[in-house]
Amino acid sequence: GQNIDQPTEMTATEGAIVQINCTYQTSGFNGLFWYQQHAGEAPTFLSYNVLDGLEEKGRFSSFLSRSKGYSYLLLKELQMKDSASYLCAVRSWGKLQFGAGTQVVVTP
Amino acid sequence: KAGVTQTPRYLIKTRGQQVTLSCSPISGHRSVSWYQQTPGQGLQFLFEYFSETQRNKGNFPGRFSGRQFSNSRSEMNVSTLELGDSALYLCASSLIPESTDTQYFGPGTRLTVL
Repeated sequence: GQNIDQPTEMTATEGAIVQINCTYQTSGFNGLFWYQQHAGEAPTFLSYNVLDGLEEKGRFSSFLSRSKGYSYLLLKELQMKDSASYLCAVRSWGKLQFGAGTQVVVTP
Repeated sequence: KAGVTQTPRYLIKTRGQQVTLSCSPISGHRSVSWYQQTPGQGLQFLFEYFSETQRNKGNFPGRFSGRQFSNSRSEMNVSTLELGDSALYLCASSLIPESTDTQYFGPGTRLTVL
């Protein structure tokens, strides 16, 4: 089995930066994904990390440290539309297991 | 290119009934995975299919089953429905079931069991 932990909720103001941490314990690690899910909608793919380091994609960046079982998603220049749940997911032994999600609330 | 489609989008059933949900993957995608999402448990993996074969299965009772057809379309079936089966059922497709391959989700089927 595996544990995937991420904070339940984070609040930040428009234009700010927010960092969502994700820690995991797993065997057979094959990669870590971040998804965004707006209320009532399906999750949409944001980023993928399999090697240590930072992956940057526009306003979103994701970091992975396999030795520490740690990842973070960095959201820069926050916009109101970024208010959503952010899901950390770990692939191991062919299965994709999700964390409970972090609800990000962006305030004006 | 059209995304993942799921039918029906909403479904209401009563306890003891059975239900079949359908998923059509993105054109060219051959791997289909199913997930159950509830407020209390989050997104939980049900099973994954590739080339009409179940490759992986999550920790769900045997009442939950699925299959994949030669055109990669997939169905999942839940028999003897229980109140706790009320959830959003999401289907995701990818090109192949490799670790590096990204899964793309459909809009889901919202199942309510009364």
